[in-house]
Amino acid sequence: AQKVTQAQTEISVVEKEDVTLDCVYETRDTTYYLFWYKQPPSGELVFLIRRNSFDEQNEISGRYSWNFQKSTSSFNFTITASQVVDSAVYFCALKRSGTYKYIFGTGTRLKVLA
Amino acid sequence: DGGITQSPKYLFRKEGQNVTLSCEQNLNHDAMYWYRQDPGQGLRLIYYSQIVNDFQKGDIAEGYSVSREKKESFPLTVTSAQKNPTAFYLCASSIVASGGVKDTQYFGPGTRLTVL
Repeated sequence: AQKVTQAQTEISVVEKEDVTLDCVYETRDTTYYLFWYKQPPSGELVFLIRRNSFDEQNEISGRYSWNFQKSTSSFNFTITASQVVDSAVYFCALKRSGTYKYIFGTGTRLKVLA
Repeated sequence: DGGITQSPKYLFRKEGQNVTLSCEQNLNHDAMYWYRQDPGQGLRLIYYSQIVNDFQKGDIAEGYSVSREKKESFPLTVTSAQKNPTAFYLCASSIVASGGVKDTQYFGPGTRLTVL
């Protein structure tokens, strides 16, 4: 069975704090892809990152970083020095190789307070 | 600018009425998708299409219908058979590929449907 769990329903932080959003996935496949999307209040899902199962290198993009660990089936997302504009719902998703289907987690709502 | 447009942004429907949501893309993507989002839940796939004049049911297709007459367009009709249609609907598109970065799905701004 394929499953994505985002156990944190809602997180509140004060601006400039660091925050980590957790994502745990389940799959029996050896080849798969993991994604993070941001959904601001406007509603559109914005693509942030894609990682394939063979690439366990951590990724850093500005204030964003991602930690992919196959040993714990986790793909966590960290925002450094959070800003109010980071307030959104963040979704983690899993896709099997060779298929169209994304399996989404239930999302984590991040509130960054000024 | 290339992207995905959905219209209208807000839609109100009376019970028993069919309503059609528009989705257009100019990214030259072959595949298009419709998702439904309910509060506190992830996205659930309604229908998808990988090529013109062909489409497949997703996980929650009952009460919905689609067409794909043009590559750029993938309208979704919410029929009166859909018992709980009030939700946020998102359209997405991607290149058809067996793997690699190209088949990442990109999303439109969404349509919020409310049944009165």
